[in-house]
Amino acid sequence: SQTIHQWPATLVQPVGSPLSLECTVEGTSNPNLYWYRQAAGRGLQLLFYSVGIGQISSEVPQNLSASRPQDRQFILSSKKLLLSDSGFYLCAWSVGQVNSEQYFGPGTRLTVT
Amino acid sequence: AQSVTQLGSHVSVSEGALVLLRCNYSSSVPPYLFWYVQYPNQGLQLLLKYTSAATLVKGINGFEAEFKKSETSFHLTKPSAHMSDAAEYFCAVSAPNFGNEKLTFGTGTRLTIIP
Repeated sequence: SQTIHQWPATLVQPVGSPLSLECTVEGTSNPNLYWYRQAAGRGLQLLFYSVGIGQISSEVPQNLSASRPQDRQFILSSKKLLLSDSGFYLCAWSVGQVNSEQYFGPGTRLTVT
Repeated sequence: AQSVTQLGSHVSVSEGALVLLRCNYSSSVPPYLFWYVQYPNQGLQLLLKYTSAATLVKGINGFEAEFKKSETSFHLTKPSAHMSDAAEYFCAVSAPNFGNEKLTFGTGTRLTIIP
C-alpha cells in the first residue's frame, strides 16, 4: 500500500532563516506531488505541484520554492522565512491526471518567530 | 475554472442527530467532487468521491453525499452524529479530462458534536 511521509512534524524558525521541508511517497511510481499551505482559520492554498522529476508548477508567487530531485521526493524550501510563512504545510500525491483524488501526508506545523 | 462554496464555516449538532454539511460547486464541465475530513493537526483523509457514476455516493465512517446537478450541490450527510465525527470537512471539485485542472478546495466547515 502507499504511504506518504513528511518531516519534520513541527518546526519553529526565526524570521530570515532558511527552510527545508521534505515529503516522500512509498508504494507508487511517478506520482503527481503537491504542496499546500493551510493558514489558521483558512482553507488549503496550493503552492506547487509536480507531474515528474524536475517539473515544478508554481501556483502562488512567494518566497518559497519547490524541487523534485527524485520520483517520490518533493522538497519545499525558502532562503529567508517571513512571519507570513507560518502555517500548516501539507504534501499530497495522486496518480493519473492532476485532477484525480489526492492523498495527504500528516503535515508540518511551521511557526516563524 | 471551477470553484466550491461551503455554506457555514461552523456547524454544531447533537450526538445522534443528523449531520448536514453543505457544498455547492461551479464548473463549466461535468465535475468530479470530493469530501475530505481533517482531524486536528493531521492531514486530510478522503471520505468519498463522485466521478459521474451513481449520484448517491457512500463513503467511510457512515457518511454519504448526493450529487444534484440541478442544484449544483454535493452536500455531505450522516444520519446519526458520533463524537468522533468532530473535525473539519472540506469539499473539493475538479474538472476531469480538462488538461491540467487541479483540485479546488472549499474553505472548510468545522463540525462540533454536542454531547
